[in-house]
Amino acid sequence: DADVTQTPRNRITKTGKRIMLECSQTKGHDRMYWYRQDPGLGLRLIYYSFDVKDINKGEISDGYSVSRQAQAKFSLSLESAIPNQTALYFCATSDRTRTSGSYEQYFGPGTRLTVT
Amino acid sequence: RKEVEQDPGPFNVPEGATVAFNCTYSNSASQSFFWYRQDCRKEPKLLMSVYSSGNEDGRFTAQLNRASQYISLLIRDSKLSDSATYLCVVNLPNAGGTSYGKLTFGQGTILTVHP
Repeated sequence: DADVTQTPRNRITKTGKRIMLECSQTKGHDRMYWYRQDPGLGLRLIYYSFDVKDINKGEISDGYSVSRQAQAKFSLSLESAIPNQTALYFCATSDRTRTSGSYEQYFGPGTRLTVT
Repeated sequence: RKEVEQDPGPFNVPEGATVAFNCTYSNSASQSFFWYRQDCRKEPKLLMSVYSSGNEDGRFTAQLNRASQYISLLIRDSKLSDSATYLCVVNLPNAGGTSYGKLTFGQGTILTVHP
């Protein structure tokens, strides 16, 4: 079974609708992240959470909100979807590695969202 | 200036070729460095961390030059299966100068290995 799962994998929605993307992980990591990826723009950080009570905005948080329901679950919501939120969304987790002291991140399979 | 900058390519090379990718980063306080690989429409996957002394994993060699703020990835004996986008990733410190495990991704370099 995958360590980081995302649901749904694909979603088409209309402008103005509220939509939630869900992420679950079995890696036992404290840190979770939401990114979006657009062609030519790379991965951009939307929100991140270092534990259940610690949630922070990333570089492009406008129009998004998140909820960290448990250590293993981190949801991303679009309160009123707009077409320029059409993108590939990734959830990721990380924990400090023992050897390098660095924060390698592990990604879910992604959610392809289309807003019409 | 972008925080992490890569040549987007694409690089088209024959099987067996050696290919090198470069990446520069703007913040001299950056602490951790990685190369990720991303196949089309799939999630990024960690290829290797980059250590100050340089490191090698099979056909892949990563180098870090802190003075020049430059990271490289060398792939020897390219295989068809190496075709992917390679992402240079840097752990930048926050405004206070401490690291909080946030990664900044370059736009990626596209590699196509052909027969």
